[in-house]
Amino acid sequence: GIQVEQSPPDLILQEGANSTLRCNFSDSVNNLQWFHQNPWGQLINLFYIPSGTKQNGRLSATTVATERYSLLYISSSQTTDSGVYFCAVAVAYGGSQGNLIFGKGTKLSVKP
Amino acid sequence: DTGVSQDPRHKITKRGQNVTFRCDPISEHNRLYWYRQTLGQGPEFLTYFQNEAQLEKSRLLSDRFSAERPKGSFSTLEIQRTEQGDSAMYLCASSAHGVGTDTQYFGPGTRLTVL
Repeated sequence: GIQVEQSPPDLILQEGANSTLRCNFSDSVNNLQWFHQNPWGQLINLFYIPSGTKQNGRLSATTVATERYSLLYISSSQTTDSGVYFCAVAVAYGGSQGNLIFGKGTKLSVKP
Repeated sequence: DTGVSQDPRHKITKRGQNVTFRCDPISEHNRLYWYRQTLGQGPEFLTYFQNEAQLEKSRLLSDRFSAERPKGSFSTLEIQRTEQGDSAMYLCASSAHGVGTDTQYFGPGTRLTVL
């Protein structure tokens, strides 16, 4: 099955710093989403981005589908950005066209 | 527009007991998914419905697990004869498949502890 690899696994930042999180996937996808999981376990949808670039405030994401990777940029980080960031994809062929396959996540800690 | 809701939020049970969880999707979303997440891991797919039809089940979904979505609205996930290995966060998500994007929106989860 499709493999999803996220890097780095852990990231510690000082408040105000910028960061880039990476997601590599091993096959063609028709769905790619970035999520932020807060300390209470809630998965918050950040971007639906199977291709192209999107921006939402201090966050932006780029997916290069032909090269099978996606990047999540966080600028001017705040302590509330802390948590685990997940990349999840759905394959573009076969019967499994609904379920998301998640990476192991990047755990971000932003220090004041 | 309310989000995805799940009930209960926490469940503690003894090994061997049956438990049932409920998920209410975003209204008019035709797809509903169940995932399971254990500590330190990403969520893993269990099953999904399009309207009332269960279209796919993961191999993780043993015979002790059953899910339903009567009338294509809310869904229930039942675990029979619970085992300690069933302890996890059970997440529900919904999406409006075929209408623009297939963005999945997640509920707050039900945390199950099997003693």
